[in-house]
Amino acid sequence: RKEVEQDPGPFNVPEGATVAFNCTYSNSASQSFFWYRQDCRKEPKLLMSVYSSGNEDGRFTAQLNRASQYISLLIRDSKLSDSATYLCVVVNSGYSTLTFGKGTMLLVSP
Amino acid sequence: DAGITQSPRHKVTETGTPVTLRCHQTENHRYMYWYRQDPGHGLRLIHYSYGVKDTDKGEVSDGYSVSRSKTEDFLLTLESATSSQTSVYFCAISAPSGGQQTQYFGPGTRLLVL
Repeated sequence: RKEVEQDPGPFNVPEGATVAFNCTYSNSASQSFFWYRQDCRKEPKLLMSVYSSGNEDGRFTAQLNRASQYISLLIRDSKLSDSATYLCVVVNSGYSTLTFGKGTMLLVSP
Repeated sequence: DAGITQSPRHKVTETGTPVTLRCHQTENHRYMYWYRQDPGHGLRLIHYSYGVKDTDKGEVSDGYSVSRSKTEDFLLTLESATSSQTSVYFCAISAPSGGQQTQYFGPGTRLLVL
């Protein structure tokens, strides 16, 4: 089983749609979790942290289920500018070593 | 903006030549990282540093070396470039966000080895 697995993409959605991305991780001792966003030919950028209690940032909601080792990202009212690749990221050990999923591409169309 | 720059931003080189990529940060972060990103593989850690002269290997360190003689600079060297090292290279620093440590990335270097 791969360390961090994400839904294969791309997801093609119209503007205004709600879209959900899922991610599973294999190391039950994982400590921290994040979603990053990466635009084409750009560096990954932190989108939001993921907390056990769930957290929301505007149109974005992240959820963590430690028992199932599952992370999700929900985007409501999709905008054209949301088109990007979304990376699930897990921190497993000291020195802040991150493990990245391969990413899921989102394409929002008019 | 985490104050990270990378140089060069693009480079074309020939197989067998040495190549050095530079990462520079302005905010005195202790931890620095080098990743490569390839289609189908995602981001993979090459080497990281936890202080001046303190470095360790990551997942894909073969063929790469690093040096950190100053807090602000982390150098990645390909001693003898191969075509399999054609990739996009990202440098990152570790910094807190919302009570957790995470990483912030530089703009990347696109390397083509012919």
